[in-house]
Amino acid sequence: ETGVTQTPRHLVMGMTNKKSLKCEQHLGHNAMYWYKQSAKKPLELMFVYSLEERVENNSVPSRFSPECPNSSHLFLHLHTLQPEDSALYLCASSQDGAGGGYGYTFGSGTRLTVV
Amino acid sequence: KQEVTQIPAALSVPEGENLVLNCSFTDSAIYNLQWFRQDPGKGLTSLLLIQSSQREQTSGRLNASLDKSSGRSTLYIAASQPGDSATYLCAVEVNYGQNFVFGPGTRLSVLP
Repeated sequence: ETGVTQTPRHLVMGMTNKKSLKCEQHLGHNAMYWYKQSAKKPLELMFVYSLEERVENNSVPSRFSPECPNSSHLFLHLHTLQPEDSALYLCASSQDGAGGGYGYTFGSGTRLTVV
Repeated sequence: KQEVTQIPAALSVPEGENLVLNCSFTDSAIYNLQWFRQDPGKGLTSLLLIQSSQREQTSGRLNASLDKSSGRSTLYIAASQPGDSATYLCAVEVNYGQNFVFGPGTRLSVLP
């Protein structure tokens, strides 16, 4: 596979469940990102990992927990979510952790519904 | 704080028309600007990337221009087709080492 792959594509979970979103990039990039896209709102940056270290956390609630075991894989662990967390969660990668002059490559996203 | 706006919010045109989408940003000190396309419920597809030293980029029927001093970029779509129907997002990177700030998008419908 090439590009950025996200799984699952769709996820429905109860507020007491624990689940994880997975992102994998096959581009040799050294930075990965989690974005949240809610209805009628601009994309919101959640987490940035550059060279496998987290460099930014935009005050995201602790019920979202990222993990980056290596430069190709990124996870978002979810627990005790709220209905307002329902959104499209997008993963992206880039070179040099700043777009690198070459911009982002995005995955297809995971549509999360919290019931 | 960098803010990005896009006008119009939505646009509906008949097939074959040439059209212009606008993006404005408040801080002209950007590293680069990227235009994306997003189909409903899907991820983002990169269309064009303009680095801060460039004035425009072209890919097929798409042309994007950048005027840093005025804080503006335009995406020109020539001879629009129904397959161009999507939401178009612009994003600016504010200096090296910081991340993209996205606009709210323009939702385009091209009618057959």
